[in-house]
Amino acid sequence: QQPVQSPQAVILREGEDAVINCSSSKALYSVHWYRQKHGEAPVFLMILLKGGEQKGHDKISASFNEKKQQSSLYLTASQLSYSGTYFCGTARGAGSYQLTFGKGTKLSVIP
Amino acid sequence: SQTIHQWPATLVQPVGSPLSLECTVEGTSNPNLYWYRQAAGRGLQLLFYSVGIGQISSEVPQNLSASRPQDRQFILSSKKLLLSDSGFYLCAWSSEQAMNQPQHFGDGTRLSIL
Repeated sequence: QQPVQSPQAVILREGEDAVINCSSSKALYSVHWYRQKHGEAPVFLMILLKGGEQKGHDKISASFNEKKQQSSLYLTASQLSYSGTYFCGTARGAGSYQLTFGKGTKLSVIP
Repeated sequence: SQTIHQWPATLVQPVGSPLSLECTVEGTSNPNLYWYRQAAGRGLQLLFYSVGIGQISSEVPQNLSASRPQDRQFILSSKKLLLSDSGFYLCAWSSEQAMNQPQHFGDGTRLSIL
């Protein structure tokens, strides 16, 4: 079952904050976040594990709400370099290597 | 450090022609390997994955096949390409040493079918 990402697209001015959500109808075991710039390969940002803590990477952080079966990616004080499409990938089971990716959220940061 | 190589970067093929895309990983042993396809403006669709030499799991029935002849080599093939095979093909690897490891992507092959 493909996770649902929202919003589909968002436009920010430099310095503004954004939240991208990733929801699943099935139980979540882990959530992976990636960023893909136009024409390039996706780049790994972070993994959130069931029962794990909120993670952070510079001004990008994420949370995992087991009860809501949802993960959220927080981008604080956005920079032009944050532009791209953000994908969440959910593990299919507790011991699964395979990920099912959402359709992505296109983030555009403008000056 | 680990690196992943994919080639060719771009490919234009006529309908009905064969296909071979290659992916190799360096700097790690027994990686998990994956082939994804990404249609224009869409998400990542897992096509095949492999946890070892000769072990291939197919996700979606189609006219594509995959092989892993060596530990760090993963090949995507087709005998006869269809128009619907156009897309951005990405190879990825992850460590087999533990669960919940990140997947690292190659630069991709942009395939256009005419």
